[in-house]
Amino acid sequence: EVQLVQSGAEVKKPGESLKISCVGSGTGYTFDNYWIGWVRQMPGKGLEWMGIIYPGDSDTRYNPSFEGQVTISADKSIKTAYLQWSSLRASDSAIYYCLRRGWELLPDSWGQGTLVTVSS
Amino acid sequence: QSVVTQPPSASGTPGQRVTISCSGSYSNIGSNSVNWYQQLPGTAPKLIIHINNKRASGVPDRFSGFKSGTSASLAISGLQSEDEADYYCLAWDDSLNGWVFGGGTKLTVL
Repeated sequence: EVQLVQSGAEVKKPGESLKISCVGSGTGYTFDNYWIGWVRQMPGKGLEWMGIIYPGDSDTRYNPSFEGQVTISADKSIKTAYLQWSSLRASDSAIYYCLRRGWELLPDSWGQGTLVTVSS
Repeated sequence: QSVVTQPPSASGTPGQRVTISCSGSYSNIGSNSVNWYQQLPGTAPKLIIHINNKRASGVPDRFSGFKSGTSASLAISGLQSEDEADYYCLAWDDSLNGWVFGGGTKLTVL
């Protein structure tokens, strides 16, 4: 069974930087070969796709709404994908999920979510 | 504003059948498969329908998915109080080169 395990909740101040992670594991799961995407859910709001990365060659695509606001990266040697901010804002407070893209271009596994709270 | 449109709310009484629509375009639903997710308050989204009409493991057969052209729908028959949740559709968008979610539908069981 494929598992995506995300890093724990974070509380940060505006202007601080942050990098959250998503570790992939599972029998027969070659981390390099599956795209990993990130999704944001702001409090009381819907789900928004932020971007996606192919760990095999770090090919990355961003939702134009998020381009320049976040950086998505991956380290295939440790089967980990990252989502990072250089300068957080209060409006970045949300739950962030990582997802693996499987058959039919659809997600076939979700991480448990990482709650990010940005407050002064 | 979502590229894929869902009604913001839906409701029904116990035992009724309700349908939630998901309207997109050629670049997403028209060209690719659709998943449906159920999200209970304070929990992560749970897959209920994948690849248009296949129930996920453990999902009761009261839930069914349909897709035609650039639209998809989720039907819930024999509505139960435990079905009260937010429901989201999702598809890959070939123009965006990423996933698009419907805006979500809050289902209330009266």
